[in-house]
Amino acid sequence: KQEVTQIPAALSVPEGENLVLNCSFTDSAIYNLQWFRQDPGKGLTSLLLIQSSQREQTSGRLNASLDKSSGRSTLYIAASQPGDSATYLCALRVDYKLSFGAGTTVTVRA
Amino acid sequence: DAGVTQSPTHLIKTRGQQVTLRCSPISGHKSVSWYQQVLGQGPQFIFQYYEKEERGRGNFPDRFSARQFPNYSSELNVNALLLGDSALYLCASTQGAEAFFGQGTRLTVV
Repeated sequence: KQEVTQIPAALSVPEGENLVLNCSFTDSAIYNLQWFRQDPGKGLTSLLLIQSSQREQTSGRLNASLDKSSGRSTLYIAASQPGDSATYLCALRVDYKLSFGAGTTVTVRA
Repeated sequence: DAGVTQSPTHLIKTRGQQVTLRCSPISGHKSVSWYQQVLGQGPQFIFQYYEKEERGRGNFPDRFSARQFPNYSSELNVNALLLGDSALYLCASTQGAEAFFGQGTRLTVV
């Protein structure tokens, strides 16, 4: 069974600081990995998708890396803004389903 | 293009009642999945349907059932509601590698 862990569970940073969010998983036989953003009480917004054969993906201020051998993915958010405040979830796809971590709740202080 | 749409957005039910949640996938997407997200946790996989066939089922009791229609929309049914069924129910549609989620249905069981 795939176990997905996200540490820390929460963090608070001043505006402008770079964010580093971690995701670890136990089974490296994954199809792909997705990072999502979730605002309180809302659905999930896809941020980045990394295919199993890729090492990283970038979109604007966001960069995500994938190291299957160590069972880790990291999401970097550069120059954080108050609008980045949300919960960030990583999800690993194995076959037909996604296995999620519990998320990291980020607060960016103005 | 419209994203994944779910209805209703909120509902309140009494223990023992039955509920039906609805999902319309992104146009052209043939795969629909359902997830349950309890407060403070990551989403948990319930069902996946592809081309109207059930492709996978998570660790949920038989009170949970689903179906997919010829237009690829889907319904999730939950019978004999328990207080513990209170959660955000998320629908995802997938075409290829990336999953896209709707805004969710917030179910409260009282």
